[in-house]
Amino acid sequence: GAGVSQSPSNKVTEKGKDVELRCDPISGHTALYWYRQSLGQGLEFLIYFQGNSAPDKSGLPSDRFSAERTGGSVSTLTIQRTQQEDSAVYLCASSLGWVPLSYEQYFGPGTRLTVT
Amino acid sequence: RKEVEQDPGPFNVPEGATVAFNCTYSNSASQSFFWYRQDCRKEPKLLMSVYSSGNEDGRFTAQLNRASQYISLLIRDSKLSDSATYLCVVIPSSGGYNKLIFGAGTRLAVHP
Repeated sequence: GAGVSQSPSNKVTEKGKDVELRCDPISGHTALYWYRQSLGQGLEFLIYFQGNSAPDKSGLPSDRFSAERTGGSVSTLTIQRTQQEDSAVYLCASSLGWVPLSYEQYFGPGTRLTVT
Repeated sequence: RKEVEQDPGPFNVPEGATVAFNCTYSNSASQSFFWYRQDCRKEPKLLMSVYSSGNEDGRFTAQLNRASQYISLLIRDSKLSDSATYLCVVIPSSGGYNKLIFGAGTRLAVHP
């Protein structure tokens, strides 16, 4: 079946521009996550959506970052006024939700963002 | 102190070797633990969950030591295809939350 998809796969943008990254989760998965991974670093949690609940935004590094999830499916991560330190791979993952012993997250291929 | 810490490696081992990675976590209330594998320039994928009593999946064995707050991954009879980065993952509480905390990963390189 179809996995998590993300677009674009690569994005090069100039400092100060806004960017939008898209994630299509696996159909039926109620939980959706955004992470970013800088070179040689672990995954940094950004934001988590679970069903119709208020998202957990505790990982967003600044107010330049925001995310939406429309209709409980597709999500868009927006970075305003990009900075060079925003350069990273942005990974989206989805899971069935909080089902005990079923936390497996399925990751998309990521969007590689380069801010010049 | 980071919530989840791993030795970054790289661990360079010959085929057939046994190799072990450790991962320490800081939150004693952590409830769930996993190992993910990430190939170069690819997304992470779940390798195995870590159960309190320890568990084995083929050549892979995972252990949990709650007293010392670490988990381990043992790989026996290493294959070239095992070369990857192994990410330790912890869910810090049992509060109905799916927030996973990832370690920075341990890189394994298996050579002929």
